[in-house]
Amino acid sequence: KNQVEQSPQSLIILEGKNCTLQCNYTVSPFSNLRWYKQDTGRGPVSLTIMTFSENTKSNGRYTATLDADTKQSSLHITASQLSDSASYICVVLAYNTDKLIFGTGTRLQVFP
Amino acid sequence: EPEVTQTPSHQVTQMGQEVILRCVPISNHLYFYWYRQILGQKVEFLVSFYNNEISEKSEIFDDQFSVERPDGSNFTLKIRSTKLEDSAMYFCASSEARGTEAFFGQGTRLTVV
Repeated sequence: KNQVEQSPQSLIILEGKNCTLQCNYTVSPFSNLRWYKQDTGRGPVSLTIMTFSENTKSNGRYTATLDADTKQSSLHITASQLSDSASYICVVLAYNTDKLIFGTGTRLQVFP
Repeated sequence: EPEVTQTPSHQVTQMGQEVILRCVPISNHLYFYWYRQILGQKVEFLVSFYNNEISEKSEIFDDQFSVERPDGSNFTLKIRSTKLEDSAMYFCASSEARGTEAFFGQGTRLTVV
């Protein structure tokens, strides 16, 4: 069954610190892997999108990595800010489909 | 910056009533989607729509659900006879092409009482 699992479920860090969120997926073959940021009660906002041939992609303070062999991805957030408090969701698009498969997300809280 | 807009932001309806959720996708996008998120759960795919027809749907998208693009700008999701378990946040999304970045609206919170 196509699944996307994330860890940790929740994370608390202090402002200015770095953190890394993990994603494991069983979707195969896949077209691309995405990371979204979702504020409570709002729609997901895209951070990065990577195809299977890409190993890393950055968007400002966000850097995503992808290992298509081990089916793992990570999202690294550098120098966290209070506004980074949100859920971060790993999403996989399977090959030849329109359906995005969402993970359960990591809820990040950044405290001053 | 172009965005996907959804109306209403909140909708409360009685069980058994019909509801229509509305979306205006980004104007040059060709693929449209509906997703839902039950409180505390992951976002789930409902349906994708391209070239005025459904291109893919999930097992959740049964005969109670329908989608329509009634004019050049709106994209709607209709639930014919709502059930308590239809209570969720419904997100509309659009993308330029299949498999490209999907932009999500802010969602419609549907509460069935």
